[in-house]
Amino acid sequence: DGGITQSPKYLFRKEGQNVTLSCEQNLNHDAMYWYRQDPGQGLRLIYYSQIVNDFQKGDIAEGYSVSREKKESFPLTVTSAQKNPTAFYLCASSMTSGGGPSQYFGAGTRLSVL
Amino acid sequence: SQQGEEDPQALSIQEGENATMNCSYKTSINNLQWYRQNSGRGLVHLILIRSNEREKHSGRLRVTLDTSKKSSSLLITASRAADTASYFCATDSRSNDYKLSFGAGTTVTVRA
Repeated sequence: DGGITQSPKYLFRKEGQNVTLSCEQNLNHDAMYWYRQDPGQGLRLIYYSQIVNDFQKGDIAEGYSVSREKKESFPLTVTSAQKNPTAFYLCASSMTSGGGPSQYFGAGTRLSVL
Repeated sequence: SQQGEEDPQALSIQEGENATMNCSYKTSINNLQWYRQNSGRGLVHLILIRSNEREKHSGRLRVTLDTSKKSSSLLITASRAADTASYFCATDSRSNDYKLSFGAGTTVTVRA
């Protein structure tokens, strides 16, 4: 059963805490992405990775960090420097990153601040 | 950066009616895609249209692209309750390294 798995579904962050959102794919895709979605808005790109051990900042990377040590995994850490982390976070993957291939999305993680 | 803008923001129709939503964008694009998002879920890819194409069909979906007006439309024919969702257009362009840029979406409600 191929797809993208995000966990947890819901996450709560305390003041000053770093939290990590998990994203795993078994589609054998090279490219992976993290997006943030705020209510009533579209998706904004946080980070993306075109290949293992390489990643680039998106439009709103400040306060976030990522790693890409394995092809299947692209975890996102929301650091304490992100002052407004409450949002819906979506992970996606695609075969390549160039030329606009369609992206496959996970079910999302909803992050709230306690 | 969000390049696409959908119109209308929200649409309510009766089951069986057609739903039309539009997407406008600012800069020249390589491809334009439409995605659907059910409430609280991830996005699902619906259809991709390339900049040299004018119209594409997929089941009950019809997408048009007018590059001279920098706009696209998505038509859902014979709507069903299951079509209730938010619909997003996403563009990619050489100027943005082919990364997808999403609009804010159109929320469609299909009444039974």
